[in-house]
Amino acid sequence: AQKVTQAQTEISVVEKEDVTLDCVYETRDTTYYLFWYKQPPSGELVFLIRRNSFDEQNEISGRYSWNFQKSTSSFNFTITASQVVDSAVYFCALSELIQGAQKLVFGQGTRLTINP
Amino acid sequence: DARVTQTPRHKVTEMGQEVTMRCQPILGHNTVFWYRQTMMQGLELLAYFRNRAPLDDSGMPKDRFSAEMPDATLATLKIQPSEPRDSAVYFCASGFAPGTATHYEQYFGPGTRLTVT
Repeated sequence: AQKVTQAQTEISVVEKEDVTLDCVYETRDTTYYLFWYKQPPSGELVFLIRRNSFDEQNEISGRYSWNFQKSTSSFNFTITASQVVDSAVYFCALSELIQGAQKLVFGQGTRLTINP
Repeated sequence: DARVTQTPRHKVTEMGQEVTMRCQPILGHNTVFWYRQTMMQGLELLAYFRNRAPLDDSGMPKDRFSAEMPDATLATLKIQPSEPRDSAVYFCASGFAPGTATHYEQYFGPGTRLTVT
């Protein structure tokens, strides 16, 4: 069965520090997709990134970057020069196909607190 | 900008009462998902639809939960009768699947926070 593990339950850093959120997944599929979502205190889940299993290039978007390593089944997320507004719960998710339709399997989430 | 909307945002009800949650997916999206979020279980998929047809509702307690899409702009999740263990945040998400066997991002609504006393 597909599984996503976010071992860090909570992380707390001081503003401007860099922080990395870990995500490890398990799947038997050869083609799969990985996602990150952000859940700020308002509660809504915000889509951040989608990455397919054939593309191991690192992705950078502003202060956010993602490191996908198939060899270790990891898809880690780094925030550079963190800001208070980055405080949120971050979810990693794996996409699986059941009967030809997609289902997302979410990790338990990492609560990130950025202190001023 | 286009967003998934959910009503109500908060609902407090007594055990045994019927609860109906509504979702309006993003216009043009052809898949709709219902998730439940609790501290203990995290995010769980309850049901999902593609082109208004239910594809999988195996995550839903069948005896009390039901999900429907009366039309392309409305999805509903109903609990009857409600129980205290149903207290959670219920999220609706929508996405566009150009075909079967595709992977795509889902866009989430703000959620309905349900409290059953």
